[in-house]
Amino acid sequence: DTGVSQDPRHKITKRGQNVTFRCDPISEHNRLYWYRQTLGQGPEFLTYFQNEAQLEKSRLLSDRFSAERPKGSFSTLEIQRTEQGDSAMYLCATLSGGHNNEQFFGPGTRLTVL
Amino acid sequence: AQKITQTQPGMFVQEKEAVTLDCTYDTSDQSYGLFWYKQPSSGEMIFLIYQGSYDEQNATEGRYSLNFQKARKSANLVISASQLGDSAMYFCAMREGEGTSYGKLTFGQGTILTVHP
Repeated sequence: DTGVSQDPRHKITKRGQNVTFRCDPISEHNRLYWYRQTLGQGPEFLTYFQNEAQLEKSRLLSDRFSAERPKGSFSTLEIQRTEQGDSAMYLCATLSGGHNNEQFFGPGTRLTVL
Repeated sequence: AQKITQTQPGMFVQEKEAVTLDCTYDTSDQSYGLFWYKQPSSGEMIFLIYQGSYDEQNATEGRYSLNFQKARKSANLVISASQLGDSAMYFCAMREGEGTSYGKLTFGQGTILTVHP
């Protein structure tokens, strides 16, 4: 499978715990995006990487959230001290360089905070 | 101010008929792109169709076409010959301008489409 992959697909955690999600992009895609989608809503932008550089962060990304993309390959999104309001689907998408217009989305990680 | 507005929370259509899903947008950029994505109950986001702000012709992809009216800032999705498998959530999204935010998408609230046999 040469698409965007995300791991894990589902995560259930207790409030206050830390969680980390991983996104593996399509290999030649240098732009990577994280979105959060709550139930019944459209995805909301969280952060964006071009290669290893994190170029933009949304105000939605509180201090408890951190994202990395070492070596410009896979990316991780960590949430510290999770809260019930963090329960959502976390989507990763990648975009190739140049003028391709399509973002390729991964299957998402569904987080449930109890 | 909301940048992407989808005013139809839910739509119903009979199998084999056409349906239009509405989308209006707001931007001051001259260069932007408009997208439609389909999200089945399984959760993955499936790209359907793209329209660039400078494209003179409406985009078409198989049974999908985008009715782009730039002056009205609308980008409605038309699905012809609906199939049962078209039942899903549909999102309109916009990519604004160039620069460091290139590629970031702003999504609407979505429209749930149900196709009846």
